[in-house]
Amino acid sequence: GENVEQHPSTLSVQEGDSAVIKCTYSDSASNYFPWYKQELGKRPQLIIDIRSNVGEKKDQRIAVTLNKTAKHFSLHITETQPEDSAVYFCAARQRMDSGYSTLTFGKGTMLLVSP
Amino acid sequence: DTEVTQTPKHLVMGMTNKKSLKCEQHMGHRAMYWYKQKAKKPPELMFVYSYEKLSINESVPSRFSPECPNSSLLNLHLHALQPEDSALYLCASSQESAATNEKLFFGSGTQLSVL
Repeated sequence: GENVEQHPSTLSVQEGDSAVIKCTYSDSASNYFPWYKQELGKRPQLIIDIRSNVGEKKDQRIAVTLNKTAKHFSLHITETQPEDSAVYFCAARQRMDSGYSTLTFGKGTMLLVSP
Repeated sequence: DTEVTQTPKHLVMGMTNKKSLKCEQHMGHRAMYWYKQKAKKPPELMFVYSYEKLSINESVPSRFSPECPNSSLLNLHLHALQPEDSALYLCASSQESAATNEKLFFGSGTQLSVL
């Protein structure tokens, strides 16, 4: 099955700095990679996603890059703000023989943005 | 309405009790999911319903019994749980069938404690 590794497990930055979280996956057939943000005591929320036919996607201060050859993808947050503080989960989608698909999540990165 | 609503928010039950978790969405989404999340861990998939049919059961013990009465509702019936089943139970939905597993909308979850 798919295996998703996520690094770092914790990341502390100063407000205004950039933050980068990296994930690697094992199944070369995986073709969809979402990122979820989960604030303390709240629900996970999709913040950005990318398909395997695209190398990069941006949405304001957030960007995701994908390197299919190396099987890794990264989340980039620029001009970080205290409200960016949360746990971020990457995930990779793998299609099963049944035709259905599942998401395999990374273990999460706790991002702390200090004012 | 762009929300997934879960009730109750908190539940404490004994190992001999029977209880049910409820989930509702009115976004017209065709796939609904149950995830289990332990503290500081990623969500773990339990069940997926696609077009009101159970399409994925991730080898979940029979003390957890899912039910999808209609396209907007999802229940999780609990019976004879163990203390290690204590966790946050998240419901999610997505617009397409479970074959895509894209853009999951999560509910706020039910924090379950088994005594």
